[in-house]
Amino acid sequence: DTAVSQTPKYLVTQMGNDKSIKCEQNLGHDTMYWYKQDSKKFLKIMFSYNNKELIINETVPNRFSPKSPDKAHLNLHINSLELGDSAVYFCASRKIGGDYGYTFGSGTRLTVV
Amino acid sequence: KQEVTQIPAALSVPEGENLVLNCSFTDSAIYNLQWFRQDPGKGLTSLLLIQSSQREQTSGRLNASLDKSSGRSTLYIAASQPGDSATYLCAVRTGAAGNKLTFGGGTRVLVKP
Repeated sequence: DTAVSQTPKYLVTQMGNDKSIKCEQNLGHDTMYWYKQDSKKFLKIMFSYNNKELIINETVPNRFSPKSPDKAHLNLHINSLELGDSAVYFCASRKIGGDYGYTFGSGTRLTVV
Repeated sequence: KQEVTQIPAALSVPEGENLVLNCSFTDSAIYNLQWFRQDPGKGLTSLLLIQSSQREQTSGRLNASLDKSSGRSTLYIAASQPGDSATYLCAVRTGAAGNKLTFGGGTRVLVKP
């Protein structure tokens, strides 16, 4: 199936731990994103990568570090997890060079206890 | 700064009634507007993508209009069904560095059988 896939789907961890979320797209898209959906269901962009280059870095704490080993993958590493990091994290991708829409993954629900 | 607002925040209708969901945005300099559907605990499914040069897009029972100059889009769902129950999100793509989507808060729809 052509898609944006994220792993894990659910992640429960203790405060202070370090965790990673992985994202892969097999759509041949050039740009990948991380979005955060908070408890009020608002979706906000965190990062954007275009062909492995960081393009957008919204006001996200330094504890969040994206890594793009190639244009099909964008991982999110979070250090020293805090209770407020609990949210659903969505990966998305888009083909550039035209008026294309975004394709989203199914999300990773992170719960920090 | 682009802001997207969706009204109403929640909507409950009997089966068979037509649904009208509204989306407004503050900056009319958009590339396109995308409507998504999100089921509880699930990811985002793209419904319709309207380019800034278009006035409307249709897919089956769904029709979305765009009035860029007034900063408005409306999603119409004809002859609603219980399976249409979900949260509907509107998002606009702006041309700032990186091209990012700005989301509205969503309209939570319940179609009663």
